Amino acid sequence: DSGVTQTPKHLITATGQRVTLRCSPRSGDLSVYWYQQSLDQGLQFLIQYYNGEERAKGNILERFSAQQFPDLHSELNLSSLELGDSALYFCASSVGRSSYGYTFGSGTRLTVV
Amino acid sequence: AQTVTQSQPEMSVQEAETVTLSCTYDTSESDYYLFWYKQPPSRQMILVIRQEAYKQQNATENRFSVNFQKAAKSFSLKISDSQLGDAAMYFCAYRSASNAGNMLTFGGGTRLMVKP
Repeated sequence: DSGVTQTPKHLITATGQRVTLRCSPRSGDLSVYWYQQSLDQGLQFLIQYYNGEERAKGNILERFSAQQFPDLHSELNLSSLELGDSALYFCASSVGRSSYGYTFGSGTRLTVV
Repeated sequence: AQTVTQSQPEMSVQEAETVTLSCTYDTSESDYYLFWYKQPPSRQMILVIRQEAYKQQNATENRFSVNFQKAAKSFSLKISDSQLGDAAMYFCAYRSASNAGNMLTFGGGTRLMVKP
């Protein structure tokens, strides 16, 4: 157990639907990062939150949004889902500007049918 | 923007032998961090080793070591005495040390197979 909890582990939904992925960071970590990994590809950075505020944005689609709550957990909302959104979505956390890399959750496997 | 390139989509090694995975990156920054992550079939991302760009000494973690060539922008991973459990996808990653956000930029990955 890495200390970063992601729910659900698996999600199957239809095109056009909306889903919410949840992430609880490791205790004490203030930063949360969301990454998307399509089949057998590298991880693409989506968005970062630090202590409730958006800190950095990657190539995140307008159909996707995220937020970090006062208890530091984060949610990634994906709407108007398309087949191409099928991927593994990772959440990672760090204390702040840590040089020790991040702690990753085990991911949420999203399948859009 | 920074880019990370892993030119070997697949590599194989005999158990107990040594293998080197390649990684190059492109950046105009002088201060940054480099990482190797392992992703086994469980899909969990596991930090293998990290290197600070300001350090000349190559990082080592047990059987894992890196060859960091800053001028050449090269960061290879050497795995010694390969074990069956080393079979996984390996990702090289870059992080800026600037204040502009500290997200990781990943390479496309190298699939390592270990033959018994």
